[in-house]
Amino acid sequence: GAGVSQSPSNKVTEKGKDVELRCDPISGHTALYWYRQSLGQGLEFLIYFQGNSAPDKSGLPSDRFSAERTGGSVSTLTIQRTQQEDSAVYLCASSLKSRVAGESYEQYFGPGTRLTVT
Amino acid sequence: QKEVEQNSGPLSVPEGAIASLNCTYSDRGSQSFFWYRQYSGKSPELIMSIYSNGDKEDGRFTAQLNKASQYVSLLIRDSQPSDSATYLCAVKLNYQLIWGAGTKLIIKP
Repeated sequence: GAGVSQSPSNKVTEKGKDVELRCDPISGHTALYWYRQSLGQGLEFLIYFQGNSAPDKSGLPSDRFSAERTGGSVSTLTIQRTQQEDSAVYLCASSLKSRVAGESYEQYFGPGTRLTVT
Repeated sequence: QKEVEQNSGPLSVPEGAIASLNCTYSDRGSQSFFWYRQYSGKSPELIMSIYSNGDKEDGRFTAQLNKASQYVSLLIRDSQPSDSATYLCAVKLNYQLIWGAGTKLIIKP
């Protein structure tokens, strides 16, 4: 079946502009994650959704960052008043959520959105 | 602070040899462990998951877990140039994966 999709694949924006990044998870996956990866760095957790709820927003770097998920499916990450330090690859992942103890929470990643703030 | 540690490398291995990648984690409550492969400019791709102590084999890949010593490793047998990538270790704690920074592996023909 289809994997996680993200759009746009690349986004170049001017400093101070707002951007919206979209993630479409694997069908049936109730958990959705946003990460950020700067060049040569590891994965930085941003936010997690279970259904339409975000139990953990602790990774969002500032109040310029927000995210929502509707219908338990598509999610949008919005960055307001972009800064040059926001330049990175933004990755979305989805997983099944199981209530069975010991069940895996294997996350599957989309191709990412490369954001460049000039 | 919950941490996952990996040697950043690069780890250079001759083609056909065994590549051994290691990962240690700090939280004893961790229950599930994952290895991802990330090619340059691409997103992470799941290779292996392991939940119980011992070895788990899948093709040329073997994951090893030792909860008492809090380490997880990945062995790649008969290494191929196409295995050259960064390998990320991830440890599940509650709902979240805690990620290592990755080990860069280079397979020399």
